[in-house]
Amino acid sequence: DAGVIQSPRHEVTEMGQEVTLRCKPISGHNSLFWYRQTMMRGLELLIYFNNNVPIDDSGMPEDRFSAKMPNASFSTLKIQPSEPRDSAVYFCASSLIIYTEAFFGQGTRLTVV
Amino acid sequence: ILNVEQSPQSLHVQEGDSTNFTCSFPSSNFYALHWYRWETAKSPEALFVMTLNGDEKKKGRISATLNTKEGYSYLYIKGSQPEDSATYLCAFTSGNTPLVFGKGTRLSVIA
Repeated sequence: DAGVIQSPRHEVTEMGQEVTLRCKPISGHNSLFWYRQTMMRGLELLIYFNNNVPIDDSGMPEDRFSAKMPNASFSTLKIQPSEPRDSAVYFCASSLIIYTEAFFGQGTRLTVV
Repeated sequence: ILNVEQSPQSLHVQEGDSTNFTCSFPSSNFYALHWYRWETAKSPEALFVMTLNGDEKKKGRISATLNTKEGYSYLYIKGSQPEDSATYLCAFTSGNTPLVFGKGTRLSVIA
């Protein structure tokens, strides 16, 4: 398996634009996580899915953020409209089950100008 | 809210020095403690998963201990090398929750 695949690796967008981040988890993993990395908060869990179902989205900062997992091999994190304070590295991770070793993608570095 | 604390925040050591850092986590409802190594421009990779009180894990020059009763884990690096420079993250789970990460200890090994 190629591991967790995220795209794009880098995204630069203007304030107010919609941004969509994509993730392909490791095949056979039942849990998928979206994290945001910032200097202030470290790795912050935004939302996680189990068997494609969103379980806890309490970490999503605002209604501008939404995430979907339409099938076991694909998830998106959308920010609409984007703001400069959303600039961060966003990681997707997957695991066999919720509390086992998490395998991380390479991350998407988002810059909102 | 689960609180996972790591100290120190950053550390600079000379090549060849041994070093250690701490992860503190809730001592109740413990299931597992994970250690990850995160190199710059890469993604975090798991080092150890520890579940039992008194557990000791070792991988090469890196080892970790676990005390679940008092809620702490130590990570040790013996004879640090420049390639050990990275951020070391610990993560706690109570077993029915996803991993909660600390903010990490950033280690710089100076040649």
